[in-house]
Amino acid sequence: NAGVTQTPKFQVLKTGQSMTLQCAQDMNHEYMSWYRQDPGMGLRLIHYSVGAGITDQGEVPNGYNVSRSTTEDFPLRLLSAAPSQTSVYFCASSFLQSGTTNTGELFFGEGSRLTVL
Amino acid sequence: GENVEQHPSTLSVQEGDSAVIKCTYSDSASNYFPWYKQELGKGPQLIIDIRSNVGEKKDQRIAVTLNKTAKHFSLHITETQPEDSAVYFCAETGGSQGNLIFGKGTKLSVKP
Repeated sequence: NAGVTQTPKFQVLKTGQSMTLQCAQDMNHEYMSWYRQDPGMGLRLIHYSVGAGITDQGEVPNGYNVSRSTTEDFPLRLLSAAPSQTSVYFCASSFLQSGTTNTGELFFGEGSRLTVL
Repeated sequence: GENVEQHPSTLSVQEGDSAVIKCTYSDSASNYFPWYKQELGKGPQLIIDIRSNVGEKKDQRIAVTLNKTAKHFSLHITETQPEDSAVYFCAETGGSQGNLIFGKGTKLSVKP
C-alpha cells in the first residue's frame, strides 16, 4: 500500500519559473491538502479539497493553484516561483469524519523540498 | 492570529525521564486534538489523538490529556528512549471546514 506519494522529492527553480508538485493517494480519501513547513513556523495549510471538483484556500494560498479532477490526485502549481516559496511541501489526505467536514487522521507524504533562487 | 500555541519549542531529556509538551488553543468549537511525530526527513505521523468528550487517553508510554475549560491539552511521554527523538506537533480542528491547525512544533532530544 503506497499511501500518499509526492513527486519530486527535491527541486531547484529560478525566480519566475513555474512548476507542479504532484500528489497521489491510493486510500480513497475524500480530503486532500497541501501544507508548507518552514523553520519555526510549523505546518501551514495552503489549499485543500473535500472531494473531486472541490477546492478551497487555506491559510497561505497566494502564489499557488490547485485542482482536483480525480479522487486520487491533487497537484499543487506554482505559477511564478519566488524565493519566499522556498520550503518543504507536504501533501496529506484523510477520510472525513462521518457526517461532518472535519478531517480524521491525516496521512502525510514524504515531502517535496523546493528551493527558489 | 495564532490558533495553537505549543511549548516548549525544544526539549532535552535523559533516557528514561518523562517529557511533557503543552498546547493551548482559542477556538471553543474545536473537538479533535491529535499529536503528530515527525522524524528527520519524513512526513508527520499520527501518534495519539483525543476528542472533546474525553479527558485523557493512553497508549503504552504516551498519553494525552485535555482540559476543555482551560483550552489546553498536553502530550506525556514516559520512560523516554532515544528513538523518541523527533519533532512533535499538536493540532486542533480550528480551521474552516474542520481543517487541522498545527502548533509550531517541539524538537525533543532524548540523550542516552
